[in-house]
Amino acid sequence: QLQLQESGPGLVKPSETLSLTCTVSGGSISSSSYYWGWIRQPPGKGLEWIGSIYYSGSTYYNPSLKSRVTISVDTSKNQFSLKLSSVTAADTAVYSCARVVLLWFGTAYFDFWGQGTLVTVSS
Amino acid sequence: EIVLTQSPGTLSLSPGERATLSCRASQSVSSSYLAWYQQKPGQAPRLLIYDASSRATGIPDRFSGSGSGTDFTLTISRLEPEDFAVYYCQQYGSSLALTFGGGTKVEIK
Repeated sequence: QLQLQESGPGLVKPSETLSLTCTVSGGSISSSSYYWGWIRQPPGKGLEWIGSIYYSGSTYYNPSLKSRVTISVDTSKNQFSLKLSSVTAADTAVYSCARVVLLWFGTAYFDFWGQGTLVTVSS
Repeated sequence: EIVLTQSPGTLSLSPGERATLSCRASQSVSSSYLAWYQQKPGQAPRLLIYDASSRATGIPDRFSGSGSGTDFTLTISRLEPEDFAVYYCQQYGSSLALTFGGGTKVEIK
């Protein structure tokens, strides 16, 4: 069974860079049928897609976050990572990684999710 | 960016009743590329429906999706106790900018 597990610091200072890693087990990140994505959910609020990456390194980013986001992939470790720079309190959220189904036109829906990890931005 | 508006914000129903959740898009969602997710407290979202009406693997047939263009509906035919949760819609007609609705909470009346 596919599993995704987020890891990284739970507390980040304002203006610093948030860094998280998602480890994929039970399947290969190098599958041609999927992208791999990050989604966040501020406490008590809805879901926001951050961005997605293919095993080749091709990326899509949410236009509203694009200037601050970098997503990378390490196929040798079956992992992909998120970096979000210049964080503020508004970036406090549960960050989740997920598998994104790839259709003929691009990325689609999220069919497997990690449990998510809370990242708090505070000094 | 396609904005998705879900209504109502909260739906109060009893087990056994029928739930009808709405998701309206700010512009037409091409080819009905819309998904629905269920999220319970402290859990990751679970994919229920994709392509507006196709059930994901293992999803009971009491869950059904319909709609096209800008108006989509998730129907739960008879609510089971485990169905009380928050439901989100998500569009992928514009794959350059995936967006979610704000969610509908289905609570026990």
